[in-house]
Amino acid sequence: KQEVTQIPAALSVPEGENLVLNCSFTDSAIYNLQWFRQDPGKGLTSLLLIQSSQREQTSGRLNASLDKSSGRSTLYIAASQPGDSATYLCAVRGRDDKIIFGKGTRLHILP
Amino acid sequence: EAGVTQFPSHSVIEKGQTVTLRCDPISGHDNLYWYRRVMGKEIKFLLHFVKESKQDESGMPNNRFLAERTGGTYSTLKVQPAELEDSGVYFCASSLSWDRDRQYFGPGTRLTVT
Repeated sequence: KQEVTQIPAALSVPEGENLVLNCSFTDSAIYNLQWFRQDPGKGLTSLLLIQSSQREQTSGRLNASLDKSSGRSTLYIAASQPGDSATYLCAVRGRDDKIIFGKGTRLHILP
Repeated sequence: EAGVTQFPSHSVIEKGQTVTLRCDPISGHDNLYWYRRVMGKEIKFLLHFVKESKQDESGMPNNRFLAERTGGTYSTLKVQPAELEDSGVYFCASSLSWDRDRQYFGPGTRLTVT
């Protein structure tokens, strides 16, 4: 049974710092991995999608990596801004087509 | 283009009552999904519609939950009778048939059962 773990559960960093969010999954037989952002009272917004054959994806200040064999992904945020404050969710899609989510990391960027 | 909308945004009901949640997907999206996040837990899949047909309902907790998508447009999720453990945030998402990786999520309905 696939399980997705995100560490840390919460993180506070000063504005301008680079940071890394971690995600691990127990079953490496995944179809893809996504990083989502959720703002309070809002839905989930997909940030980056990495297919199982890919190693990383980049979008602006965000970079996500995938090491399928070790069951790990990281989301790197460069030059953090207060607007980056949100909950970040990692989710994997398995061969059965279901999306399994982690509990998320609550990120707070201190102005 | 309008995104996925959900109604109501928040519902407070007593144990034993019935509640119906509604989701309007993005126009043209054949795939519609329901998810739930219970306090302190991760978001979990409930079921998946392709047009009006239930493709996968393996995540539905029990028979107190009934989902419908008549006409393949909007969907409803009815909980009858509601129990305390049903409290949580219910998310709806939709996607195009040819791009199922890109699920667009609604803002969720926060259900509180007292």
